[in-house]
Amino acid sequence: DQQVKQNSPSLSVQEGRISILNCDYTNSMFDYFLWYKKYPAEGPTFLISISSIKDKNEDGRFTVFLNKSAKHLSLHIVPSQPGDSAVYFCAAVDNSGNTPLVFGKGTRLSVIA
Amino acid sequence: DSGVTQTPKHLITATGQRVTLRCSPRSGDLSVYWYQQSLDQGLQFLIQYYNGEERAKGNILERFSAQQFPDLHSELNLSSLELGDSALYFCASSVGQGVGYTFGSGTRLTVV
Repeated sequence: DQQVKQNSPSLSVQEGRISILNCDYTNSMFDYFLWYKKYPAEGPTFLISISSIKDKNEDGRFTVFLNKSAKHLSLHIVPSQPGDSAVYFCAAVDNSGNTPLVFGKGTRLSVIA
Repeated sequence: DSGVTQTPKHLITATGQRVTLRCSPRSGDLSVYWYQQSLDQGLQFLIQYYNGEERAKGNILERFSAQQFPDLHSELNLSSLELGDSALYFCASSVGQGVGYTFGSGTRLTVV
């Protein structure tokens, strides 16, 4: 049973436009959500996170939105740049249970110049 | 350099063999996590150690085992290897048991 789902395996966006990556989760105990970015031949690196007490968190070109009632979060990248081309993983955790991060399958973003 | 060191970077071995993957966590981090990424799969959690003790277990096969040593480095042992064990194996570390993982660059295991 996949608790974190990223239903789009890939996404292609023009440079300068907005990239929207989506993530759904099923476990209502999850209270902290993260996005990781992964380049080929490298490990995932932390990008941005959001606590369940918020519905939006912004860091430069990256914004994460959380809709708890829909158990849905999204990552917006504006404007998209060729260097953003990577695989993006959504992750979630139940912090109160000290459980490990649960990851989705990832979405491969290609930003076309 | 993330500060988490994984060796070797690549490993090719035959079915039925046994291999050991090594991870040195970032300085000061007490928790080590092992994840497996197979083709078209996300990062599947295998096992977590905290300061030498096993703290959480995920979808880890009985043929796989791990340990964390007093110097906090960790080893993941994979035995009786099958073709389906071919994957990227990532180690991550964190200060405590919460979020804030730092990943290594992974070990790519190919079983032939």
